[in-house]
Amino acid sequence: QSVLTQPPSASGTPGQRVTISCSGSSSNIGSNTVNWYQQLPGTAPKLLIYSNNQRPSGVPDRFSGSKSGTSASLAISGLQSEDEADYYCSTWDDSLNGVVFGGGTKLTVL
Amino acid sequence: EVQLVESGGGLVQRGGSLRLSCAASGFTFSSYWMHWVRQVPGKGLVWVSRFYSAGSSTSYADSVKGRFTISGDNAKNTLYLQMNSLRVEDTAVYYCARVGSYGSGFDYWGQGTLVTVSS
Repeated sequence: QSVLTQPPSASGTPGQRVTISCSGSSSNIGSNTVNWYQQLPGTAPKLLIYSNNQRPSGVPDRFSGSKSGTSASLAISGLQSEDEADYYCSTWDDSLNGVVFGGGTKLTVL
Repeated sequence: EVQLVESGGGLVQRGGSLRLSCAASGFTFSSYWMHWVRQVPGKGLVWVSRFYSAGSSTSYADSVKGRFTISGDNAKNTLYLQMNSLRVEDTAVYYCARVGSYGSGFDYWGQGTLVTVSS
């Protein structure tokens, strides 16, 4: 059971916009910034969004992040086949004194 | 170019020990928080531990506290994870990761090393 809650799956057709939610509590998302990772099959995770809504260099602006209260969201616009991957949200938890992850969302591009 | 290369994984019996290494290059190792994250194949990411050499600061997940020890060698630019009293549930791919200059998020990850604990 993950500390952060994500839907196990999401899907969309090419060109569509999809969002992935991440729900937490006051000790994690409510008081710390959220990061998002993309993991393609057989590879290490890749940082997609940091500090709630910032994109590292090289990440397309089709990816965007937001946070409100104890929840966060990742939005992917103009969905492409190469976006098919697992997506994880993550943040620091003040009560656990450690990093926590969501259970991951498997995105399928139909 | 920043690179993180893990090694040391393998097959070990329950109750045994293993030491993982993460060789860092392309940045000043002592200036960054370094973490270990593990993933059971087909499952999600789970944080294990973190280390900051400048202050010799460490933190551990409750599931490994008292059994795992994280450390670093600035001269060798290498992060370590000493794993003792291994359990079957410790079986996973172990990644080392660096916290980015932004102070949030793991901006570089290693390729991972597989640890298998047999019963």
